[in-house]
Amino acid sequence: DAGVIQSPRHEVTEMGQEVTLRCKLISGHNSLFWYRQTMMRGLELLIYFNNNVPIDDSGMPEDRFSAKMPNASFSTLKIQPSEPRDSAVYFCASSLVGGTDEQFFGPGTRLTVL
Amino acid sequence: AQSVTQLDSQVPVFEEAPVELRCNYSSSVSVYLFWYVQYPNQGLQLLLKYLSGSTLVKGINGFEAEFNKSQTSFHLRKPSVHISDTAEYFCAVSPTGNTGKLIFGQGTTLQVKP
Repeated sequence: DAGVIQSPRHEVTEMGQEVTLRCKLISGHNSLFWYRQTMMRGLELLIYFNNNVPIDDSGMPEDRFSAKMPNASFSTLKIQPSEPRDSAVYFCASSLVGGTDEQFFGPGTRLTVL
Repeated sequence: AQSVTQLDSQVPVFEEAPVELRCNYSSSVSVYLFWYVQYPNQGLQLLLKYLSGSTLVKGINGFEAEFNKSQTSFHLRKPSVHISDTAEYFCAVSPTGNTGKLIFGQGTTLQVKP
């Protein structure tokens, strides 16, 4: 298996633009997690899904952020409009079952908002 | 609510020396405990986890950790480190109940010197 796939790996955009980050889960995994990593705030959980259903989105910073799972193997994280403070590395991770199972992380998307 | 404190932001150590990375947690409910490692420009990968049973847990790459309930600690140890162990290490907790939600500490950078 190729592991969790994220695209793009790097994104540079200007303030006010829409940004869409993409994630493909490992086949057969049922849980999907979106994280954001910055020097100041460390690694933060933004939202997670079980069986395509959002379970906890309390980490989503504000209404500018939205996440979807249109099917069992794919997810998007959208920021509209983007701001410089959104600059970070965004990771998605998947696991077979939430809770005790290992989360497999993708390589991350480094987002820079100018 | 849960929180994780990694007491050292950076730990420099010479090759072949032993190392301990400290982790303390706070939680009003039972938790599962994890250590993840992040190599430069990569996503996180699981080193080891404690779910129940023996308090000494062995993981990959020669690492082990001991769960101490009375001290609410889960320190990571390795008897002899290699240059290739240079990375950032994250302690994390997850409330029991199969929610899948991981709360990470701020991370400890292990710098192994020749």
